[in-house]
Amino acid sequence: NAGVTQTPKFRVLKTGQSMTLLCAQDMNHEYMYWYRQDPGMGLRLIHYSVGEGTTAKGEVPDGYNVSRLKKQNFLLGLESAAPSQTSVYFCASSYSPTDPTLNLNSNQPQHFGDGTRLSIL
Amino acid sequence: DAKTTQPPSMDCAEGRAANLPCNHSTISGNEYVYWYRQIHSQGPQYIIHGLKNNETNEMASLIITEDRKSSTLILPHATLRDTAVYYCIVAFNFGNEKLTFGTGTRLTIIP
Repeated sequence: NAGVTQTPKFRVLKTGQSMTLLCAQDMNHEYMYWYRQDPGMGLRLIHYSVGEGTTAKGEVPDGYNVSRLKKQNFLLGLESAAPSQTSVYFCASSYSPTDPTLNLNSNQPQHFGDGTRLSIL
Repeated sequence: DAKTTQPPSMDCAEGRAANLPCNHSTISGNEYVYWYRQIHSQGPQYIIHGLKNNETNEMASLIITEDRKSSTLILPHATLRDTAVYYCIVAFNFGNEKLTFGTGTRLTIIP
């Protein structure tokens, strides 16, 4: 069971470089999320998606873009990396609470990947 | 404003029950209580959640007070592998509700 897979696991960038972080899930989840975690802090939501082709801003969206072209993939892009974006990035996915195949009173937890450790020099 | 308050750290002897408290005095009627944990260098792991009633699964038990202003996560027989940061979160059942993790409780299981 792969669950949520993030690539790469580690990356070092120079200021101004661009890169894309990939999140893939094999659980047929509708919802996907990108968080960042900084030392001594909890996770903060960057962007999320409630379905293929849709994205929305979270708590700290500036400097990031996302795309959800396929249901199973959620990409996080940094167009011009800055040292302040040095962090550990976590992707998560979950079922939609309105999924007709689920108990209407059910509440589906988020499943997380193991993170991408990104350093911007 | 923090939705939950947890002690920053706790110790528990291996084999004993670990009881982790959480205060959520401003919880609304439709908000659930979730517990996640994060073992060093790994992604957060879902443990359990509940609305009003006490819940139990293969990992833990969740006790929610009648007024829903606080809850306790119970790990019945703690092992060294339970050493982690435990997060108590309140959130609606909307799916797209962001999970506000806060700083959690660092639980250390002592041999």
